[in-house]
Amino acid sequence: AQSVSQHNHHVILSEAASLELGCNYSYGGTVNLFWYVQYPGQHLQLLLKYFSGDPLVKGIKGFEAEFIKSKFSFNLRKPSVQWSDTAEYFCAVTIASNTGNQFYFGTGTSLTVIP
Amino acid sequence: DTGVSQDPRHKITKRGQNVTFRCDPISEHNRLYWYRQTLGQGPEFLTYFQNEAQLEKSRLLSDRFSAERPKGSFSTLEIQRTEQGDSAMYLCASSLGSNPYGYTFGSGTRLTVV
Repeated sequence: AQSVSQHNHHVILSEAASLELGCNYSYGGTVNLFWYVQYPGQHLQLLLKYFSGDPLVKGIKGFEAEFIKSKFSFNLRKPSVQWSDTAEYFCAVTIASNTGNQFYFGTGTSLTVIP
Repeated sequence: DTGVSQDPRHKITKRGQNVTFRCDPISEHNRLYWYRQTLGQGPEFLTYFQNEAQLEKSRLLSDRFSAERPKGSFSTLEIQRTEQGDSAMYLCASSLGSNPYGYTFGSGTRLTVV
């Protein structure tokens, strides 16, 4: 079965620190990769996505992610975090050949940024 | 608001009662998905519809759960004889076909079973 692993459950950073959140997936075929953010009390918002092409993708709010196919990874990065980045971050995968196109989510990483 | 709407936002119910949630997708989206998100977990797929047809159901969707999309527009998710383990956020999402570009999530319905 497909699975998505986020190894960092809770990350605490000071403002201006750099961020990297890990995401690994288990599926040998073609996948689409996503990072979503969920601010307290709000709905899931798409940060960025990768379907094909340049494995380094840039998203909103200064986030970027790199797809490394050999490592089945799609880590999220931001060079300098802000207090407003405090939120829950979810990595997700869809299977390109799956007509159902449902998302498989990781368990999430809670990020707390200290001013 | 042209996003995915879910109603109610919060629902508190006693164990054993039935509850029903509603989801209104983006109007031109023909696919509608239901997910469940429990505390400390990411959303888990429950079921999806293409127009009015329910095409796939997760094994998480027990016999107490039923979903409908009678006219291919809004959808309802009913839970019968609720249990405390049903307490979760129930998320709805919609998309146009299988294209994940426009996949949009609603804000969810938080169910608390006491």
